[in-house]
Amino acid sequence: GAVVSQHPSWVICKSGTSVKIECRSLDFQATTMFWYRQFPKQSLMLMATSNEGSKATYEQGVEKDKFLINHASLTLSTLTVTSAHPEDSSFYICSAGGGSEDQPQHFGDGTRLSIL
Amino acid sequence: RKEVEQDPGPFNVPEGATVAFNCTYSNSASQSFFWYRQDCRKEPKLLMSVYSSGNEDGRFTAQLNRASQYISLLIRDSKLSDSATYLCVARRGRRALTFGSGTRLQVQP
Repeated sequence: GAVVSQHPSWVICKSGTSVKIECRSLDFQATTMFWYRQFPKQSLMLMATSNEGSKATYEQGVEKDKFLINHASLTLSTLTVTSAHPEDSSFYICSAGGGSEDQPQHFGDGTRLSIL
Repeated sequence: RKEVEQDPGPFNVPEGATVAFNCTYSNSASQSFFWYRQDCRKEPKLLMSVYSSGNEDGRFTAQLNRASQYISLLIRDSKLSDSATYLCVARRGRRALTFGSGTRLQVQP
């Protein structure tokens, strides 16, 4: 069964709307979660590393004020796309796990965001 | 230069064929490696980890060559259900995964 749950799986909304995406680890605690974005026909690109109880670490070129990350508990991280615009339309996916370097991470189902 | 490079394909092969994918990574600090499979519009799913000693899981064999920074995946007796994009992935310590752009496989009847 799924070990990382992501919600919602699909969002369609108007330009200017803020959208919150949740990522939950289901049967383990995750002090670190990762948020990725994937545009069509492209690879997954890391956006930010979400750290429980502290600020997220953003990758170069990712606006922290636009993509707000909150990791308030050991099982939940949220990504809020603020004032979304059509160019933010993408597949957003979180991962968790892999507590040691040779353990793989588990992915949520992903959220397909379409901004009209 | 991308940190993880793959041939994007597509690889079109008949059922029953053997197909091999290659991948190179540029960051010598990468310590662990994986192959993930991604179906269209779905999340990546782990296929297998990759070790220097080579590892096999049924019809799938993965190999890592640290000296040449090269990773491979061999699929024997291809099935229609193997059609997907295969992602080569590297990781440094506990950091996030670094993905290649993926190699698309289409197995044809």
